Amino acid sequence: AQSVTQLDSQVPVFEEAPVELRCNYSSSVSVYLFWYVQYPNQGLQLLLKYLSGSTLVKGINGFEAEFNKSQTSFHLRKPSVHISDTAEYFCAVSDGNTGKLIFGQGTTLQVKP
Amino acid sequence: NAGVTQTPKFQVLKTGQSMTLQCAQDMNHNSMYWYRQDPGMGLRLIYYSASEGTTDKGEVPNGYNVSRLNKREFSLRLESAAPSQTSVYFCASREVDTRGEKLFFGSGTQLSVL
Repeated sequence: AQSVTQLDSQVPVFEEAPVELRCNYSSSVSVYLFWYVQYPNQGLQLLLKYLSGSTLVKGINGFEAEFNKSQTSFHLRKPSVHISDTAEYFCAVSDGNTGKLIFGQGTTLQVKP
Repeated sequence: NAGVTQTPKFQVLKTGQSMTLQCAQDMNHNSMYWYRQDPGMGLRLIYYSASEGTTDKGEVPNGYNVSRLNKREFSLRLESAAPSQTSVYFCASREVDTRGEKLFFGSGTQLSVL
């Protein structure tokens, strides 16, 4: 069975500082990995995804994530955050065969001026 | 192109009442999903449908039923609503092509069960 664990429920950070949001997954089959963002009072929006190939994936708004198979991790990073990055971020894992998509509990990124 | 359309946007029920949340997508996607979102718990998969005519349980299916009426529509039914089902419900459909896969979400249904 698939599962996703986001290790931090809240991450406060000052504007222009770097940030890392951690995600670990478990699955018995090959998976696809995703990060979604939800801005206040909005739906979810895809930030980036890993399907295969290069383990470093670049997404929208300057975010990137690195797939580490040995550590079963898919951490999200941004070198310099903005106030507008304040949102909730969800890591997700998909079983490529069945399409079953499971989300983590979410990490609230709070960017302070 | 409307994408994923959910109705209603808001609903208040009394304990024991029943209702159906409707979801439709116009992107010809095979897979559709129902999630609930609760504070601190992220999105939890209730049911999903990998293709027309099939449905499968997700992480939290108890108290819910689904119908994949056709390729476009995937409805979620609460037969006897309970306060624990107070949540925000999202429907989604999955696009798969040569570039990979991506979920498209509806705008959500805020359900309160009193």
